[in-house]
Amino acid sequence: KQEVTQIPAALSVPEGENLVLNCSFTDSAIYNLQWFRQDPGKGLTSLLLIQSSQREQTSGRLNASLDKSSGRSTLYIAASQPGDSATYLCAVRKVVKTSGSRLTFGEGTQLTVNP
Amino acid sequence: NAGVTQTPKFRVLKTGQSMTLLCAQDMNHEYMYWYRQDPGMGLRLIHYSVGEGTTAKGEVPDGYNVSRLKKQNFLLGLESAAPSQTSVYFCASRPTSARGNEQFFGPGTRLTVL
Repeated sequence: KQEVTQIPAALSVPEGENLVLNCSFTDSAIYNLQWFRQDPGKGLTSLLLIQSSQREQTSGRLNASLDKSSGRSTLYIAASQPGDSATYLCAVRKVVKTSGSRLTFGEGTQLTVNP
Repeated sequence: NAGVTQTPKFRVLKTGQSMTLLCAQDMNHEYMYWYRQDPGMGLRLIHYSVGEGTTAKGEVPDGYNVSRLKKQNFLLGLESAAPSQTSVYFCASRPTSARGNEQFFGPGTRLTVL
């Protein structure tokens, strides 16, 4: 069974700092990995999707990397801002031969960026 | 594009009452999902659909039923609500692999069962 772990569970940093969020998964036979952001009381917003054949994806100040063989992904946030404060969730989609593959989620890292 | 929308946003039920949560997506996605999110438990899949007229069970299907009569809508029903079903419910949709596989979520429905 696929398990996804995110460390740390919570992180507090001063504004302007570069930071890394970690995600690890137990089964390397994944189809893709997706990073989401969730603001308090809101739904999940997709940030980056990395296909299993890719090593990284970038969007603005965000960079996500994927190392399938070691079962790890990192989300790098450059020059953090108070508006980046949210919970960041990592989810992996397992390879399946039939339709209906599912995402397995980590429990998230709660990020606070202090002004 | 409205994306994924959910109705209602909030609801309070008494034990034993029934209700239906509606999810709609305007992205012509084939796959649709219902999740619940609880503190310390993360997101858990309740039911999902791989296309119009199809449904399948996820990790925690007991006490829920679903229907997908139209491609754009996915309904989640609670026939006899229980306090254990107090949660935040999220709907999601995604296209097939050929169209990128990225999954999109609705804003959620907060349900309290007294």
